[in-house]
Amino acid sequence: DIQMTQSPSSLSASVGDRVTITCRASQGTDNYLAWYQQKPGEVPKLLIYAASTLQSGVPSRFSGSGSGTDFTLTISNLQPEDVATYYCQKYNSAPFTFGGGTKVEIK
Amino acid sequence: EVQLVESGGGLVQPGGSLRLSCAASGFTFSNFAIHWVRQAPGKGLEYISSISNTGGTSYYANSVKGRFTISRDNSKNTLYLQMGSLRSEDMAVYYCATGGGADGFGIWGQGTMVTVSS
Repeated sequence: DIQMTQSPSSLSASVGDRVTITCRASQGTDNYLAWYQQKPGEVPKLLIYAASTLQSGVPSRFSGSGSGTDFTLTISNLQPEDVATYYCQKYNSAPFTFGGGTKVEIK
Repeated sequence: EVQLVESGGGLVQPGGSLRLSCAASGFTFSNFAIHWVRQAPGKGLEYISSISNTGGTSYYANSVKGRFTISRDNSKNTLYLQMGSLRSEDMAVYYCATGGGADGFGIWGQGTMVTVSS
């Protein structure tokens, strides 16, 4: 099975900062890579799919990039409401494995 | 409104069984694969099972294989997860989720909590 490794596991940044989260797959995912945001006490929300396509309604400060095995989620102008844990997921075939998560906090 | 609503969670003793349900509305349930994802307290998301739109194909993570059974009733727009031989490590919020034909898991239920304790 393909393993999904996220880094860092947590980060603290200031409002307005540019934040980058990395996701590495142990094998290629054919760019079937999604990113989710889960705020404390809430249900996960799809942010990005197909590695770089923004889900409808998601602010444009979120972006995704990468291909093959290495992917990145970038928050270009961190806002207080972005405090959450972010997960990557491969969905080309089962098992649809999630990464371990990256907790983003405000400094 | 597109919606998934889980039910059936609760307290169960180790070794016991429980059946979760996920009721779908607002979309053509029978057209799409659907999945179960769980989250232990304070932990990350764990994918555990999927079933195809017809119910003819299913997949299980190793952590639940042989103990859990996924099924669906398209006439009732409902997904099920029959859980058996429950262990403390199965204690989690269980979510159903689907892409509804789109990429990724764009539709999630609110989750149902399963507590395994004597």
